[in-house]
Amino acid sequence: EDKVVQSPLSLVVHEGDTVTLNCSYEVTNFRSLLWYKQEKKAPTFLFMLTSSGIEKKSGRLSSILDKKELFSILNITATQTGDSAVYLCAGNYGGATNKLIFGTGTLLAIQP
Amino acid sequence: GAGVSQSPSNKVTEKGKDVELRCDPISGHTALYWYRQRLGQGLEFLIYFQGNSAPDKSGLPSDRFSAERTGESVSTLTIQRTQQEDSAVYLCASSLRSLSYEQYFGPGTRLTVT
Repeated sequence: EDKVVQSPLSLVVHEGDTVTLNCSYEVTNFRSLLWYKQEKKAPTFLFMLTSSGIEKKSGRLSSILDKKELFSILNITATQTGDSAVYLCAGNYGGATNKLIFGTGTLLAIQP
Repeated sequence: GAGVSQSPSNKVTEKGKDVELRCDPISGHTALYWYRQRLGQGLEFLIYFQGNSAPDKSGLPSDRFSAERTGESVSTLTIQRTQQEDSAVYLCASSLRSLSYEQYFGPGTRLTVT
């Protein structure tokens, strides 16, 4: 059965800390892994990773994929209160569809 | 440009009534997806459209759920004879094409069945 597992389920840190969020996946015909940030309802796209070992960066956020060990991490450095959100990881199921298999998310809370 | 839009943003309905949820994808995006997010859970895939055909309906939970799409534009998700377990946020996403392209999400419709 296809599944995506995220850890930790929740995390509370202080402003300025660095956090690492984990995502492991078992997805049929895996094509890519995506990270989203969800603050209210709409998940906001962060990264799409297709190749192993190549880090993607956007400001204080970065992510990398390991296709051999079937996991990805999302790093956030110098965290700010605006980073507080649920971070969702999703595996892209291959074949004729492009559906995403989502984990349940990591709830990140940044304390001032 | 405009993102994915959905309407209504909130819908409260009585058990047994039918509801229609609407999604307007990003202009030019040929692929459209519906997902459901129950409280405290991850997103569950419902259905995928490429153009106005639906190659993957595998996530629709029962025959009370149906969806259609007009050309490469608006999609409507219909839930007939709603049940309390249908209460969730229904999210729509679109992508430029179907393969290897990131999906962009709308703000969702929060459906509450009383």
